[in-house]
Amino acid sequence: DQQVKQNSPSLSVQEGRISILNCDYTNSMFDYFLWYKKYPAEGPTFLISISSIKDKNEDGRFTVFLNKSAKHLSLHIVPSQPGDSAVYFCAASTTGANNLFFGTGTRLTVIP
Amino acid sequence: DVKVTQSSRYLVKRTGEKVFLECVQDMDHENMFWYRQDPGLGLRLIYFSYDVKMKEKGDIPEGYSVSREKKERFSLILESASTNQTSMYLCASSLWGTGSYEQYFGPGTRLTVT
Repeated sequence: DQQVKQNSPSLSVQEGRISILNCDYTNSMFDYFLWYKKYPAEGPTFLISISSIKDKNEDGRFTVFLNKSAKHLSLHIVPSQPGDSAVYFCAASTTGANNLFFGTGTRLTVIP
Repeated sequence: DVKVTQSSRYLVKRTGEKVFLECVQDMDHENMFWYRQDPGLGLRLIYFSYDVKMKEKGDIPEGYSVSREKKERFSLILESASTNQTSMYLCASSLWGTGSYEQYFGPGTRLTVT
């Protein structure tokens, strides 16, 4: 049973525009959320995270929004750049747990 | 600088062979993980370990076993490789405990079983 879902397998965006990647979760006990970025033939790398006590976290061009009542989070990339083309995974965890639950990923293509 | 290394980037094995995938981390992390990544299925946890000689089954442990004899090293073993185990295998490590959720990944091993 997939507890973290990314319903869009792919997304294409023009360079300079906003990219919005979405993630939904079912477990209300999740209280920490992360986004990872993965290039082909490389391991995922950590991008940005958010705790459930916040509803927004920003790091440069990347902002993550959390809507706890909707069990939904999103990653905004502004402005999008061709180097952002990658697969993005969202992940979730609960306090005290040592493992993460990953979504299925969204492939972002930024068109120059 | 955080580093997780995996023994091979690409591996081709025959059905029925015993396969060892090795992972080493240099961050003194307590937790280590093995995932496989398949298109449309994301990252699925095979096994993880939170201490030497300790292991926990993940979501898809069937057909796999693991070994952790030293803190820095975590091995994934395919006892008798099958074609449905063709996949990208990713190792990760993290600190133990609340608030230390970030996992650091190795570059992956692309395994093909023929």
